[in-house]
Amino acid sequence: GAGVSQSPSNKVTEKGKDVELRCDPISGHTALYWYRQSLGQGLEFLIYFQGNSAPDKSGLPSDRFSAERTGGSVSTLTIQRTQQEDSAVYLCASSSVAFNNGELFFGEGSRLTVL
Amino acid sequence: QQQVKQSPQSLIVQKGGISIINCAYENTAFDYFPWYQQFPGKGPALLIAIRPDVSEKKEGRFTISFNKSAKQFSLHIMDSQPGDSATYFCAASRASKIIFGSGTRLSIRP
Repeated sequence: GAGVSQSPSNKVTEKGKDVELRCDPISGHTALYWYRQSLGQGLEFLIYFQGNSAPDKSGLPSDRFSAERTGGSVSTLTIQRTQQEDSAVYLCASSSVAFNNGELFFGEGSRLTVL
Repeated sequence: QQQVKQSPQSLIVQKGGISIINCAYENTAFDYFPWYQQFPGKGPALLIAIRPDVSEKKEGRFTISFNKSAKQFSLHIMDSQPGDSATYFCAASRASKIIFGSGTRLSIRP
């Protein structure tokens, strides 16, 4: 389809393991966001990519979290040495150039469970 | 200054009633105020949005009321239907920065 695609949809891991979450944005969208949604909570901003500009990493909660965006398209969010408090749904969203109307298109998320 | 406060956390409304969700912001630099709707297992999707140069925007049964001086805005859902049961997020944005409220879980009783 033409929407934002995220994988895996569900991931169960053991505490201390590393995980990678993938996001394929809508073709042509230059802006890409990662958000974290904990159970019953709001949307916590993690990181923002816009074209070739330096990413806004101001929302990353610790140095265990990192993200890359290759070729201005696919993005990977990596969580190292996972902790139980990392359990959440990780949402990716993309938007067209210059964020001109504020509309973000979200994927269905990757649900991470850390045991 | 970056917070968007949303209330109530949860809301139950009878079918046919009016659902009202409120939000308040602090940063007057915000210039776009969208509402997103999220169904279980899905990502949020844009529902309706408003800019601060108007006081109200209506799309079908959904209306945003905006009070610039009070730095508050609200979503009204008229003739609420069971299919409206979802989590609603308000947001405030300027350029690439978008801040979401904490969400309201709305349940419409048949």
